[in-house]
Amino acid sequence: AQSVTQPDIHITVSEGASLELRCNYSYGATPYLFWYVQSPGQGLQLLLKYFSGDTLVQGIKGFEAEFKRSQSSFNLRKPSVHWSDAAEYFCAVGANAGNNRKLIWGLGTSLAVNP
Amino acid sequence: DGGITQSPKYLFRKEGQNVTLSCEQNLNHDAMYWYRQDPGQGLRLIYYSQIVNDFQKGDIAEGYSVSREKKESFPLTVTSAQKNPTAFYLCASSGTGGIKKNIQYFGAGTRLSVL
Repeated sequence: AQSVTQPDIHITVSEGASLELRCNYSYGATPYLFWYVQSPGQGLQLLLKYFSGDTLVQGIKGFEAEFKRSQSSFNLRKPSVHWSDAAEYFCAVGANAGNNRKLIWGLGTSLAVNP
Repeated sequence: DGGITQSPKYLFRKEGQNVTLSCEQNLNHDAMYWYRQDPGQGLRLIYYSQIVNDFQKGDIAEGYSVSREKKESFPLTVTSAQKNPTAFYLCASSGTGGIKKNIQYFGAGTRLSVL
C-alpha cells in the first residue's frame, strides 16, 4: 500500500541551527513529491516539489530537499533556522501517471524553534 | 489576486443541524478537494472533484456531502449524520494541465465546533 512516513512527530531546534526533517515513502514507482508548511490556524503553503530531473530541489524560504530513490526518502533541509520557521511541516506524494491527482500525506512534523 | 477563499473562518454547529462550508477559487483549476484535519492525524480526504458535476468520495466521506455545479465552487455540507464534526476543514484545488495539475493549493481553512 502507498504510504508516507514522517518519523519525527515533534522537533525542537535552536535559532541559527541546521534542520533536517525526514520523509520516507512507499510507492510502486517514482512519485511526485511535495513539502508543505502550515502555520497555526492557517492553510498549507507549498515549500517545494520534485517531479523529475535534479534530485536536489530548492524551495521558498531557504528550504531544500533531496530525493533519494535508493532510500525512498525526500528529506527537507535548511542550513540556518529562523524563529519564523516554527510551524507544522507535511510531506506528500502523488501519482506519477494517469489522471489520479490525489495526494498521500504524512502525519506531519511540528517544529519548535528556541531563541 | 488569484486564490482560494474559504468561509466562514469559524463555524458553530448545533446538534442535529446541517452546516455548509464554502470554498471558492479563481485560479481556473479543474480539480478541488476537501480535507479534514484533526490534531496528530494529518490531512484526511473527504471528497474530491476533478470536473464540474462530478465528484468522488475520499477516505472519510460518511456524514458529509458536496456539490460541484460551477468550476469555481465546491461547497461541503456537514450533515447531522457526522457525529464528531469538530475539526479544521481545508479546501484545496489543483492546476489545469500537465505536471502542474498535481500541485494542490490551499485555502485558509474553516474551524468547525459543536455547541
